Amino acid sequence: GAVVSQHPSWVICKSGTSVKIECRSLDFQATTMFWYRQFPKQSLMLMATSNEGSKATYEQGVEKDKFLINHASLTLSTLTVTSAHPEDSSFYICSARPPLPKPPFSGYEQYFGPGTRLTVT
Amino acid sequence: GENVEQHPSTLSVQEGDSAVIKCTYSDSASNYFPWYKQELGKRPQLIIDIRSNVGEKKDQRIAVTLNKTAKHFSLHITETQPEDSAVYFCAASRMAAGNKLTFGGGTRVLVKP
Repeated sequence: GAVVSQHPSWVICKSGTSVKIECRSLDFQATTMFWYRQFPKQSLMLMATSNEGSKATYEQGVEKDKFLINHASLTLSTLTVTSAHPEDSSFYICSARPPLPKPPFSGYEQYFGPGTRLTVT
Repeated sequence: GENVEQHPSTLSVQEGDSAVIKCTYSDSASNYFPWYKQELGKRPQLIIDIRSNVGEKKDQRIAVTLNKTAKHFSLHITETQPEDSAVYFCAASRMAAGNKLTFGGGTRVLVKP
């Protein structure tokens, strides 16, 4: 249980185009999902918190008009990188929190998707 | 906001030895501290977590300790094996505030056979 998938696993796009990344919780409903960005050999940086049925909450410094987040259902959140540029090339990872604890974990754990590697040329 | 510092950035150990990674956090209201293991190009995998009402937690070869007063927590891996080689991240969050995770910088662990 607690499986999160992402699609696509990798994408190459041209500068100026938009790319949509999907994050799905496969065996649980997630009212909240999180989007992270990870540059090579660096840590995960939270971009935004995606809430089902409401607007996403963006972290300071993250352009909400550039990184559009939609959480239309309890199992799906999407991140659209608009007008992508080479500096947007990164590893984008989503996570979700199951509603119930899964021993031996405490009940507040987040499970991550496999990530999407975006390359903007 | 929360700031999490993690040390060391790299750690090389001999197979069978123990590995210890330490993290400090700044927000005294943080009360949930997970540890993740990430292999190259893969997703972070939760390996253990601890809540602030507990000082220590163990799961087989992995243990985590928490010192709330000093605002630091540590990951201990005993009897290391080559498959333990990966990057390990600590994180901190406030469970009641949406559970946003703030990650440490990561520790690259290499277990030499």
